[in-house]
Parts: sequence; C-alpha cells; structure tokens
Amino acid sequence: EVQLLESGGGLVQPGGSLRLSCAASGFSLSSFAMNWVRQAPGKGLEWVSSIGGSGFGISYGDSVKGRTTISRDTSKNTLHLQMKGLRIDDTAVYYCARSLGIAVINPFDIWGQGTLVTVSS
Amino acid sequence: DIQMTQSPSTLSASVGDTVTITCRASQSIGTWLAWYQQKPGKAPQLLIYMASTLHSGVSSRFSGSGSGTAFTLTISSLQPDDFATYYCQQNNSPWAFGQGTKVEFK
Repeated sequence: EVQLLESGGGLVQPGGSLRLSCAASGFSLSSFAMNWVRQAPGKGLEWVSSIGGSGFGISYGDSVKGRTTISRDTSKNTLHLQMKGLRIDDTAVYYCARSLGIAVINPFDIWGQGTLVTVSS
Repeated sequence: DIQMTQSPSTLSASVGDTVTITCRASQSIGTWLAWYQQKPGKAPQLLIYMASTLHSGVSSRFSGSGSGTAFTLTISSLQPDDFATYYCQQNNSPWAFGQGTKVEFK
C-alpha cells in the first residue's frame, strides 16, 4: 500500500529548530517528486517546498525561504524538512505529499496524515 | 508570483444540487490546475488535475473545466460525503493554492 507517515512535529520555542520526517512506503522516492504543504489552524493550504524525483528541482515558498531545507534519504525512503528560526506564524499542520510523477510540475496525489508544529513560548 | 482566487468562499447547498466553484489565476497558467477536497481533520485528496482530468477513483459527479485564467469545478447531484472544503492549485512553481471554498448544508 502506498503510504506517507510524517513525524517530528511538536512544541518549539520561537527561534528554535525542528526536523520533520516523512517515511514513504509502497513506492520509491527516486521515482516521484515530493512536497511539503502546511495548514495553519483554521486556515487554507500553503505550499512549503518541493524536490524532484531526481533530487533536483528544489524550491521553497517565500514564507520559509532561507530558513528551511528539504532533503531526502533514498536509502531509508524518507523525506525531511529541516526548519530553523521558527516563528509563531509557522504554527501549522505539516503534510508531506507525493507528486503524480517524477517531475515537480505535477499535482499531489498521495498525502500523509500530517504532523502538528506549534511555535510558542 | 501567481495568485489564485476562489469564489465563493462558502456555498450552501442541499443533497442532489449541482454546484459550481470558480478559481481564477492572476495570470495565464494554461491548464496547469488541480482541485482537491478536504474534510475536517483530514488530509486533502486530489480530485482533478490538468484542469479537467479526473483522478483515479474519483466519482464522475466531479468535473473540471477552464484554461488560461478561469477555471470551474462542478459537482453534480451533491451527496452527503461531498460536503467539504475544496481548493484549487496551480501546478507550477510556486504551487499556489486558492483560499478554499466550503460547501455546507443549506
């Protein structure tokens, strides 16, 4: 079964760091582009970052650019999102999502259940 | 960056109705548009991509149309399971989402 399982969320103080992980099963990360999308409480969806199936084609949303790094460990079939300099407005459920193909220019067909990041003092 | 604007923000409807949601892009995106459904506490689910292609397993009651800057999602014969929030998304960097349209019971 194709599945994504996020982990790593939690409570962090403003200015702190956090590393989110997304374990993929049922498919290889090398064959699909992957993405992070977040949703603040009661708000809409906001794209955060993407990486191509080849490992290239990395991009970030303006709100996280310079503070966030997307990466993957193909040996463990796991996607990561390293976040630093966290702000109150980074509080959100973070979803990882698979693209419908190896290229980043594809919609997101498989989503994880999300992991909650709360930035608060 | 391209901005995506959905209307209406909320739509009240009854079971059996046909409803239409509109999504406009601030500049032409061809047919690089997807639609998602999200239920409370759940992850979004892909419904339609390339503006009009129905994703595998999605009911044919959902249909999409449009190109350039104007797109629509139509749900025919609304079912109880269809009451949810719907988002459009342009499929090119940056992957902007619309603000969402909540379809609620009238």
